[in-house]
Amino acid sequence: SSELTQDPAVSVALGQTVMITCQGDSLRSYYASWYQQKPGQAPVLVIYGKNKRPSGIPDRFSGSSSGDTASLIITAPQAEDEADYYCNSRDSSGNRVFGGGTKLTVL
Amino acid sequence: EVQLVESGGGLVQPGGSLRLSCAASGFYFQMYSMNWVRQAPGKGLEWVSYIGSGGRVIYYADSVRGRFTISRDNAKNSLYLQMNSLRAEDTAIYYCARDILDSYHFDYWGQGALVTVSS
Repeated sequence: SSELTQDPAVSVALGQTVMITCQGDSLRSYYASWYQQKPGQAPVLVIYGKNKRPSGIPDRFSGSSSGDTASLIITAPQAEDEADYYCNSRDSSGNRVFGGGTKLTVL
Repeated sequence: EVQLVESGGGLVQPGGSLRLSCAASGFYFQMYSMNWVRQAPGKGLEWVSYIGSGGRVIYYADSVRGRFTISRDNAKNSLYLQMNSLRAEDTAIYYCARDILDSYHFDYWGQGALVTVSS
């Protein structure tokens, strides 16, 4: 089965830009989606497809993709953006796969 | 407003069975494919199973294939997960999640149901 690899933890200073990456062979064929999860809450979709944002997601969230790597970019993150972020995609069999998650700390 | 509400979680002994339900409202349920996703305590998200809008196309993660069965009742706007031969490693919060139409991204999630497998 396919796998997606994320850095376990990333930190960023308030006002700086942070990029959270997700690597896997399936990303050469399929787009990733990104989910934000805060403690005790269900995940929330923040980016999907070719850099699409659901209604209500701030435009400081964006996505990009190149080769086998997808990235979630947060421009000038706020304290409220501190959370776990998961990437997700699918494989050729239709199965879905999540990355291991990245814990974002906003300093 | 789209709502997904899971129920049926609880404490079960190893080897036991449990059936989760997910009640959907606020959208035309029979048009959308649905999924179950779980999260073990302190761990990351793990996709469990997918069912197409008509109930005919079904996929499972290797970790649950042969033990779990996903189903849906479009007349009742409900999604189900029958879990048999439960193991300690199945202990997790189980979320139902809706796919974006004609896509493979999850746009709405329920609040989750806790399943604890322990003697």
